[in-house]
Amino acid sequence: EVQLLESGGGLVQPGGSLRLSCAASGFTFSSYAMSWVRQAPGKGLEWVSAISGSGGSTYYADSVKGRFTISRDNSKNTLYLQMNSLRAEDTAVYYCAKADEGVIINDAFDIWGQGTMVTVSS
Amino acid sequence: EIVLTQSPGTLSLSPGERATLSCRASQSVSSSYLAWYQQKPGQAPRLLIYGASSRATGIPDRFSGSGSGTDFTLTISRLEPEDFAVYYCQQYGSSLSFGQGTKLEIK
Repeated sequence: EVQLLESGGGLVQPGGSLRLSCAASGFTFSSYAMSWVRQAPGKGLEWVSAISGSGGSTYYADSVKGRFTISRDNSKNTLYLQMNSLRAEDTAVYYCAKADEGVIINDAFDIWGQGTMVTVSS
Repeated sequence: EIVLTQSPGTLSLSPGERATLSCRASQSVSSSYLAWYQQKPGQAPRLLIYGASSRATGIPDRFSGSGSGTDFTLTISRLEPEDFAVYYCQQYGSSLSFGQGTKLEIK
């Protein structure tokens, strides 16, 4: 079964850091681009960051550029999101999502994790 | 950045009726790289349509997508009780972005 399982969320103070992980199973992880998408409480979906299948290309939304870093370890079938200088407006459920067809980021997301909640508050 | 605007914000219909949801892009979406997702409370989004009109695996044929350029439509031909949810469009032709969502509620 194709599955994504996020972890690492929690409560962090403004200015703090957090690293999210997404463990993948049931498919050839390195063959697919991956993304992080977030959803603030009661709000819509916001794409955050994407990484190519090899990890050689990364992309960020303007709202997180310079603060967040996406990476992957294909030997461990795991996607990461390092979040630094966190702000209250980063509070959201963070989902990892798999590209539908292949290694490039320009793709729909066919598999989503269950999400992990990040709360930025003092 | 391509901005997607969905309308209406809320659509109130009864089971058995036809639903038409709109997604308009601020600039042309290349190669019809547009997808639709369904999200129910407390759940992750589910892919319904990709490439503007192709149904994802396991999606019933009452769901259909159409459009090109800047105007796209998701149609649900006959609403079932489980179809009441929030629907998002997403473009992936130029970076990635989502619309703000349409809530489909029971009338």
